[in-house]
Amino acid sequence: GQQLNQSPQSMFIQEGEDVSMNCTSSSIFNTWLWYKQDPGEGPVLLIALYKAGELTSNGRLTAQFGITRKDSFLNISASIPSDVGIYFCAGHPFPYGQNFVFGPGTRLSVLP
Amino acid sequence: DGGITQSPKYLFRKEGQNVTLSCEQNLNHDAMYWYRQDPGQGLRLIYYSQIVNDFQKGDIAEGYSVSREKKESFPLTVTSAQKNPTAFYLCASSTRDGFSTGYTFGSGTRLTVV
Repeated sequence: GQQLNQSPQSMFIQEGEDVSMNCTSSSIFNTWLWYKQDPGEGPVLLIALYKAGELTSNGRLTAQFGITRKDSFLNISASIPSDVGIYFCAGHPFPYGQNFVFGPGTRLSVLP
Repeated sequence: DGGITQSPKYLFRKEGQNVTLSCEQNLNHDAMYWYRQDPGQGLRLIYYSQIVNDFQKGDIAEGYSVSREKKESFPLTVTSAQKNPTAFYLCASSTRDGFSTGYTFGSGTRLTVV
């Protein structure tokens, strides 16, 4: 079945730094979602992307739908301590009617 | 406010016992899902339902059972046949097509076998 790879698996950054992470696949997807999961809680939707090349922002977060439809990117600017958590990407494969496929997550730690 | 509620937040089970996890949503979503998350791991799909009285097995359905008698409710039973049930369980819901709105998740139930 389709699989998503997320990179990096984990990262430690200083407060105030910018963060970049990506999600890749060998298959084409028609929708990309980015979620954040706080410890002990359920994932919360951050950004949804529906068109190849689309660039969408949500506050300090910016995500892009890759032109090849096989990848997506998430950037966080000026990180703060509450950015700590696990960031999941999810892709909706062709054809329509299937379930979303989730990546394994990128664990972000922010050092004060 | 609309949302999806999982209960209880923490659950302890003795080996050999069945246990049922509750999931209720008031988002008027047609589709509901159950995922399992192990420490440091991603989300693995257990069961999903796209309409009342119908459900499908996901990637790791063995040892689990579900029912979908009402649109709002999708309880998950972890049976004694599940060999390693200790995990964090997440319920989600979505519109029928799923991709237009994404999945809305509950806050999870942490199950521990003692």
